[in-house]
Amino acid sequence: SQKIEQNSEALNIQEGKTATLTCNYTNYSPAYLQWYRQDPGRGPVFLLLIRENEKEKRKERLKVTFDTTLKQSLFHITASQPADSATYLCALDPSGAGSYQLTFGKGTKLSVIP
Amino acid sequence: GAVVSQHPSWVICKSGTSVKIECRSLDFQATTMFWYRQFPKQSLMLMATSNEGSKATYEQGVEKDKFLINHASLTLSTLTVTSAHPEDSSFYICSATAGLYNSPLHFGNGTRLTVT
Repeated sequence: SQKIEQNSEALNIQEGKTATLTCNYTNYSPAYLQWYRQDPGRGPVFLLLIRENEKEKRKERLKVTFDTTLKQSLFHITASQPADSATYLCALDPSGAGSYQLTFGKGTKLSVIP
Repeated sequence: GAVVSQHPSWVICKSGTSVKIECRSLDFQATTMFWYRQFPKQSLMLMATSNEGSKATYEQGVEKDKFLINHASLTLSTLTVTSAHPEDSSFYICSATAGLYNSPLHFGNGTRLTVT
């Protein structure tokens, strides 16, 4: 069966450290993978998109890697801050055709402790 | 950046009544809008895909007669929960795209529906 798994339901990290979140998928061949941030009671906000032919993407303190052999994406936040505390969702296009009809993981709730 | 406005942000209704939720793209034309439902600590579950001027495509297990979707213009889609029951209580979120390849989704802030 097809699955998207974000390995940790919750992750606590000390301020200033690097947070690493994992997204694994099985039985998909996505054209791309996206990461979103969701705050409580709010809709998700887009952070980064990485295509199947890209190994790494960066945006300010954020870095995403995509390993299609391992079927895994890693999401890193460097120099983490309490304001980074939120739930982070990975999402992919299950059709593999680059459509915007996304399937989401359950998310990892990140807490950055001052 | 692209803004999607969803209204209302929360609503409480009695069992058996209908509730309409609006989703508007404020600064772009949304060729496609999506409706999701999210239960606590669960992922967003796609309910239906809505294209302007055509009937919505519903995901398996979603009753189209219960969750009526109208996408009358390129900036507005509505979801009506008909004859609501307590089990319909959830967080409903819309998203929109301008239809560009590999473009991200822009989400509304969701509607918390509570059916008593």
